[in-house]
Amino acid sequence: KNEVEQSPQNLTAQEGEFITINCSYSVGISALHWLQQHPGGGIVSLFMLSSGKKKHGRLIATINIQEKHSSLHITASHPRDSAVYICAVREGGATNKLIFGTGTLLAVQP
Amino acid sequence: GAGVSQSPRYKVAKRGQDVALRCDPISGHVSLFWYQQALGQGPEFLTYFQNEAQLDKSGLPSDRFFAERPEGSVSTLKIQRTQQEDSAVYLCASSLYLAGPYEQYFGPGTRLTVT
Repeated sequence: KNEVEQSPQNLTAQEGEFITINCSYSVGISALHWLQQHPGGGIVSLFMLSSGKKKHGRLIATINIQEKHSSLHITASHPRDSAVYICAVREGGATNKLIFGTGTLLAVQP
Repeated sequence: GAGVSQSPRYKVAKRGQDVALRCDPISGHVSLFWYQQALGQGPEFLTYFQNEAQLDKSGLPSDRFFAERPEGSVSTLKIQRTQQEDSAVYLCASSLYLAGPYEQYFGPGTRLTVT
């Protein structure tokens, strides 16, 4: 069983739809990251969370530490939102290495 | 300022060749991470440096993989006698501080194809 699991693995939406991507993890963490990766491109950090909720533009990220669960929401989705969205958790301890989920491939159709 | 850069962006190697992948972190960043991302998968941790010290190399898949950061800035990931299973994108990330939940900034990656 992976330490970080995302759902769904693939998601197709119509432009304007509200999108939710879920992440569950099984290890103790100091923070959770939501990352965006475009095909052939590097990884961009969207959010880093240790509690509660953060909002940036049309993106909202929430985390429930007790339930070990986080969600990424995209409101009023747009084709330019099409990308792979990756959840990663930062282990507690000295290294601060990230453990990644396998990603959610989002395609937003016009 | 400049972000994390990696070179080359693409590398094709014949099986058995040695390769060296370079990472230039953001200036002043203490922590540097290497990750390996196979096709269709999320990245996986390879190794971690604090300045020039390699503090964690638990993710290196075999003794053919070697990483160094001799002056605490630029890092090189070397793969000896490459195998087809080494084909992946190799990502480098840097972080300003050692401890605490600080942001990691990722480079564009080096896509290695072993033929």
